[in-house]
Parts: sequence; C-alpha cells; structure tokens
Amino acid sequence: DTAVSQTPKYLVTQMGNDKSIKCEQNLGHDTMYWYKQDSKKFLKIMFSYNNKELIINETVPNRFSPKSPDKAHLNLHINSLELGDSAVYFCASSFTQETQYFGPGTRLLVL
Amino acid sequence: SQQGEEDPQALSIQEGENATMNCSYKTSINNLQWYRQNSGRGLVHLILIRSNEREKHSGRLRVTLDTSKKSSSLLITASRAADTASYFCATDESGGSNYKLTFGKGTLLTVNP
Repeated sequence: DTAVSQTPKYLVTQMGNDKSIKCEQNLGHDTMYWYKQDSKKFLKIMFSYNNKELIINETVPNRFSPKSPDKAHLNLHINSLELGDSAVYFCASSFTQETQYFGPGTRLLVL
Repeated sequence: SQQGEEDPQALSIQEGENATMNCSYKTSINNLQWYRQNSGRGLVHLILIRSNEREKHSGRLRVTLDTSKKSSSLLITASRAADTASYFCATDESGGSNYKLTFGKGTLLTVNP
C-alpha cells in the first residue's frame, strides 16, 4: 500500500563507485521528482519528470543521471561518487502543480 | 535560489500550548504549502493555500497567507508530543513554465510532554 517507495533505504559506499537509487509510485501521478536534503536539512530539487519527460534539471553535476522508464518509476544513477554526495535523497510524485507525496528517503553515505 | 525562510529555526513548547511558525518568500507565487518531517522520515503534506486565499484551516492547523508581505504563518493549536517534527514551507513560483516547489530551511518544533 506504500504510495511512494524508494530502494535502498540506506546506502554506504566508497568514493569513486557508481550507485543507483530506485523510486516507484502507485498513485497514478504524472510528475516525479528527486530532491537532495543535506545535513542541515535543506531540501533542494534536483530533477523533475512529467510523463517520462525531463522538465526540471537544476544545477546538478552530470555525474547524476535520472531515468524514467515509465510514469510510475524514476531512478537516479550516480557515477564516481564523491564525499559531498553524502545526503538523504528523496523521491516525490504529484499531479502537476499540486501536493507532492514523498518517499521515505535514501540515506547515502560516501566514505 | 532559496525562496522560503522559516522563522524561528527552532521552537520548544509544552504540550497543550500553541505553536506558530512563519515563512517569508521573495517572488510571486501560485500557492504555498506546509510540510512536516518527522526525524528520519520523508516529508508529509499538511496544507496548501492558494495565492487568492488568506486563511485555511485543517483540524488543529491554521495557515494564513499575506501576499502583500510575502509571508505565511502556520499555527498548531493544543500541541501534542507527537507534533514534534520539522516544519517546512514550500512555494510554487508563478510565471514559470515548469512546476517547481522551493523549500525553506524549516522550523524544528519540540513539544515537551
């Protein structure tokens, strides 16, 4: 019954590795998002997809590549992980211009 | 760029008291939303107020919006220990072609039993 789910919940990895985070929503929403929340709890949007099309791409290093295979899924692949990538990554979904529903977050720690 | 700024950054009250948090923003908006985040969890939507609305209620929550001052307030009445969480305002800036919410830094509310 989970509305927005993310996997994995925790991710601990070494600098330089490549990792992926997956997100799925079963709400029938047409828009999905990736946010990064830093250690000071500041939440910043990274990407947004509407009907599988990229519509928002904030200033994010091109080591981050989102992929939306269908409307219900938005994955985030990160290449060559750096220490500064350590954060909590949240996926969210919504109908366009309405309330966003957030996943539980993926806690990424880069060592 | 950061749009919403919550005030105060932290607030500690006793159970049963009211809690008021404020949010200021910089540009014109379509709507303003408040979210709650419990420790270690995702954000949960509380209430949305549109730019043509001045006040909205939902249970123990009351939100006001003053577009002339570019500010909003969230009032939680008769607080409970379970209300302990971080509260964020988020604005949807009008005029843009893409829908984007910009979040503030949040207010950490602690309700002591």
